[in-house]
Amino acid sequence: RKEVEQDPGPFNVPEGATVAFNCTYSNSASQSFFWYRQDCRKEPKLLMSVYSSGNEDGRFTAQLNRASQYISLLIRDSKLSDSATYLCVVNRRGRDDKIIFGKGTRLHILP
Amino acid sequence: GAVVSQHPSWVICKSGTSVKIECRSLDFQATTMFWYRQFPKQSLMLMATSNEGSKATYEQGVEKDKFLINHASLTLSTLTVTSAHPEDSSFYICSARDPRVGSTDYTFGSGTRLTVV
Repeated sequence: RKEVEQDPGPFNVPEGATVAFNCTYSNSASQSFFWYRQDCRKEPKLLMSVYSSGNEDGRFTAQLNRASQYISLLIRDSKLSDSATYLCVVNRRGRDDKIIFGKGTRLHILP
Repeated sequence: GAVVSQHPSWVICKSGTSVKIECRSLDFQATTMFWYRQFPKQSLMLMATSNEGSKATYEQGVEKDKFLINHASLTLSTLTVTSAHPEDSSFYICSARDPRVGSTDYTFGSGTRLTVV
């Protein structure tokens, strides 16, 4: 089982719609969680960190469920510019400090 | 915010030659940097963790003699692809975390697209 799993999509969603992605992680020692956005042939860019209490940044809402070991991202009122690949990222700290990427979920916003 | 500079952005080389990619943290010191590789339509795969002043830690399946990593200073890590072959063609990207402000997010270089012909 992969350490971080995501539905690869693609999700084809009409502009203005709400879309949600989930991600599961297998290592309970994981301590930090993020959503990154990657545009085609570009480097990933941090979209938002994910906290247990849930956090919101404009149209984006992220949730973490430690008991079930999953992370979610909700995008409201989607824009054409939201089309990208969304990467779920998990960080294990301590002696083995590394970040693990999910394969990403491709999102296409349709006009 | 933290800035990581990666060069070159793209490189085309002949099979059998070596290519060096540089990753610099511009406004912070990074004791640890990470090197990733991404094939088309695939996720970023961690190749190795670069540690300043000591040997890099390679992930399983990554040949340390082929992918030479040097982290000689707190702001520079280099990845050298030795005796490159067409199957090494990929997008290579580095990242580092700014430890100054307790940040937990990682900053990425802009990546290097390597094409071996």
